[in-house]
Amino acid sequence: EIVLTQSPEILSLSPGERATLSCRASQSVRNFLGWYQRRPGQAPRLLIYDASNRATGIPARFSGSGSGTDFTLTISSLEPEDFAVYYCQQRSSWPLTFGGGTRVEIK
Amino acid sequence: QVQLQESGPGLVRPSETLSLTCTVSGGSLTGHYWSWIRQPPGKRLEWIGHIYYTGSNNYNPSLKSRVTISVDTSKNQFSLRLSSVTAADTALYYCVRVHIGDYFDYWGQGTRVSVSS
Repeated sequence: EIVLTQSPEILSLSPGERATLSCRASQSVRNFLGWYQRRPGQAPRLLIYDASNRATGIPARFSGSGSGTDFTLTISSLEPEDFAVYYCQQRSSWPLTFGGGTRVEIK
Repeated sequence: QVQLQESGPGLVRPSETLSLTCTVSGGSLTGHYWSWIRQPPGKRLEWIGHIYYTGSNNYNPSLKSRVTISVDTSKNQFSLRLSSVTAADTALYYCVRVHIGDYFDYWGQGTRVSVSS
């Protein structure tokens, strides 16, 4: 099974700052990686699929990049509602697996 | 807007079978895969399995011997059964719609299931 490792575990930033989150796969997942946001008390929301495609209704400040084993989610300028936990997920091979999450908290 | 709602017991005894149902509203089961995902306390999200509206399915090998996911298109529901549960099966369980390409676009709010005597 493919293991996804996210870093950092916690990212402390201020509104308006740029957030850069990392997801590393234990083997190549090509570009078959997605990102989710989970706000407190809510279910996860799909942000990015296939490494760089924004899901329906996702603001342009969210962008994804990477291929193979190294991926990045960038939030260009943090809004108050962006402080949440972010997960990556691979669909390259079964079983589908998730990363452990990065918490973006207010500094 | 597609909405999913999990239902089922919040407490299950060890060695018994966990049973959850997901009711889908605002859309049809037809043409989509549907899935169950769980998150044990302090651990990462874990994909349990998929089912297509026709009934074909795919399970996580780590759970395959204990899992059954079924679909009832007449009720617009799909269900999860997990047998021989232990404390390790205590988790927040989500029912989810599978987006094109095995991502997950619509999620239920989740239901907490504890395994305890």
